[in-house]
Amino acid sequence: DAGVTQSPTHLIKTRGQHVTLRCSPISGHKSVSWYQQVLGQGPQFIFQYYEKEERGRGNFPDRFSARQFPNYSSELNVNALLLGDSALYLCASSQLAGEYTDTQYFGPGTRLTVL
Amino acid sequence: GQQVMQIPQYQHVQEGEDFTTYCNSSTTLSNIQWYKQRPGGHPVFLIQLVKSGEVKKQKRLTFQFGEAKKNSSLHITATQTTDVGTYFCADLNYGGSQGNLIFGKGTKLSVKP
Repeated sequence: DAGVTQSPTHLIKTRGQHVTLRCSPISGHKSVSWYQQVLGQGPQFIFQYYEKEERGRGNFPDRFSARQFPNYSSELNVNALLLGDSALYLCASSQLAGEYTDTQYFGPGTRLTVL
Repeated sequence: GQQVMQIPQYQHVQEGEDFTTYCNSSTTLSNIQWYKQRPGGHPVFLIQLVKSGEVKKQKRLTFQFGEAKKNSSLHITATQTTDVGTYFCADLNYGGSQGNLIFGKGTKLSVKP
């Protein structure tokens, strides 16, 4: 079975631009979460979507938005990019959301560099 | 807010030595998940602990969840160069039809052959 897939692998943007990152979850998983990992730190939660609805949001500005499609894939959008947005953006999929036994599986990530 | 502390930040060992990383919280942990991230890679799920006092083993890796559910540990016996990477613990913050992981800062393990 295919794992979580993300595209693109790498991306270079300049300040003020907009970016869209994409994620396809593991087949059968209905929940997608997005995390930002800055170099040398643990991943930080951005959003969780389940059944196309936003179920959770981390402490990120409104420049960050996301959505989930009927096939459970997801997009993360970031507007007005700042240098500090440079990071590895990780997508994680899980079968459910809100269950105490929920396990999240991560994709390979998108490395975003903002110049 | 909920915080997960992880120590040490770095650990350098000689191949064959043991390694332990610790995860602590001032509040009760609900579901501890351990991940390994190789340099340049992404977090790979290792194990999940949900019960007080739980101990799980995977070959040379031993995972423990404290009796009070406020700490967890990962112990590697006789490290190998393939163990190199950063080990993260994460607590699942769940409820209200959502669940997100709160990660520690990780322990970066280097192994000298």
